[in-house]
Amino acid sequence: KAGVTQTPRYLIKTRGQQVTLSCSPISGHRSVSWYQQTPGQGLQFLFEYFSETQRNKGNFPGRFSGRQFSNSRSEMNVSTLELGDSALYLCASSPLSYLEAFFGQGTRLTVV
Amino acid sequence: AQRVTQPEKLLSVFKGAPVELKCNYSYSGSPELFWYVQYSRQRLQLLLRHISRESIKGFTADLNKGETSFHLKKPFAQEEDSAMYYCALTEGGGGSNYKLTFGKGTLLTVNP
Repeated sequence: KAGVTQTPRYLIKTRGQQVTLSCSPISGHRSVSWYQQTPGQGLQFLFEYFSETQRNKGNFPGRFSGRQFSNSRSEMNVSTLELGDSALYLCASSPLSYLEAFFGQGTRLTVV
Repeated sequence: AQRVTQPEKLLSVFKGAPVELKCNYSYSGSPELFWYVQYSRQRLQLLLRHISRESIKGFTADLNKGETSFHLKKPFAQEEDSAMYYCALTEGGGGSNYKLTFGKGTLLTVNP
């Protein structure tokens, strides 16, 4: 069974630009969550989608958004990038709500 | 607000010694607690969850609601246990509030 796949693995963007990250969950998983990981703040919850609906959102500004498609694939978008958005963005999928989250390898975003 | 505290950033033990990674939480309801592990150059993965009351790779964790703790223990550490360990919680009861709150993590090093 293929694991959670995130693309791209690495990105370098300039301040003010926008970026879209993609996540393909494990087949059959309907819940997809996104997390931001930084050395200072650790792992922080961004949002969670289930059957194309955003069910939960973390404490991030509106520049961070996401969506889920009918095949459960998910994208997150960050607009007007700031230097502080540099981080590892992790996606996780789950078959049912909270039993276990399967994480992808992450997308390393660097904002210069 | 829910919070997870892992007081030790770094923990170093010798092979064969007992190890305990501390985790304290703050949550008003009945949480579900987890330990996730990240080995070098691997993705974050579930180690164990309190609801299963299982022992994985010799690790156990007991939920102490009185002390709001969920410490991870292993009687005899192995070199392959060296990794980053994260304690996490989410709302219990199988509800739709699937949002993992992570601690900052403890880097365990097991020396030969």
